[in-house]
Amino acid sequence: EAQVTQNPRYLITVTGKKLTVTCSQNMNHEYMSWYRQDPGLGLRQIYYSMNVEVTDKGDVPEGYKVSRKEKRNFPLILESPSPNQTSLYFCASSPRLAGDKEQFFGPGTRLTVL
Amino acid sequence: GENVGLHLPTLSVQEGDNSIINCAYSNSASDYFIWYKQESGKGPQFIIDIRSNMDKRQGQRVTVLLNKTVKHLSLQIAATQPGDSAVYFCAENIDNYGQNFVFGPGTRLSVLP
Repeated sequence: EAQVTQNPRYLITVTGKKLTVTCSQNMNHEYMSWYRQDPGLGLRQIYYSMNVEVTDKGDVPEGYKVSRKEKRNFPLILESPSPNQTSLYFCASSPRLAGDKEQFFGPGTRLTVL
Repeated sequence: GENVGLHLPTLSVQEGDNSIINCAYSNSASDYFIWYKQESGKGPQFIIDIRSNMDKRQGQRVTVLLNKTVKHLSLQIAATQPGDSAVYFCAENIDNYGQNFVFGPGTRLSVLP
């Protein structure tokens, strides 16, 4: 089944404890992206990647890192999480670099930073 | 479900009626737009898209209208069904490479029996 998977789905952690949220897609998509979703603010893009070893900042990159060493994986890294990073996170992938951009979203990761 | 829509505008429609969900976008240079549907506890799902060289595009039960003069996008759902209950987001592509999207805050659609 073609899909985007994220792990973990739920995570509660404490301030300053490094964490990684994994994202994997099995559709051979070039483009991948991370979003956070907060009440009243909709989805905001954190980072995106157009292909392996190519990553760019989105609208809210502060406090986050990403890597794209393989086409299928795009982990989101929080080196020192803070409470304001408590949010719902979505990974997405898309098959084309330009033109129409239907993005396929993962199921989401609910992160709580205490 | 996830509390992603605590402060969202809500549209309530009777089952079988048509729904119209509106969205104002920010960048007059945006050339590609998408409507997404998000059900409780799930990620957004693509519904329909439209490029800026079009005013209207139709899907199976959905129609998207684009008014570039006033930077307004609308999603029309015909014969609304209970399964249409969800939060709907518009997204605009703000760069020419199709990589950077800005999403609207969303509208919650409730379908009444």
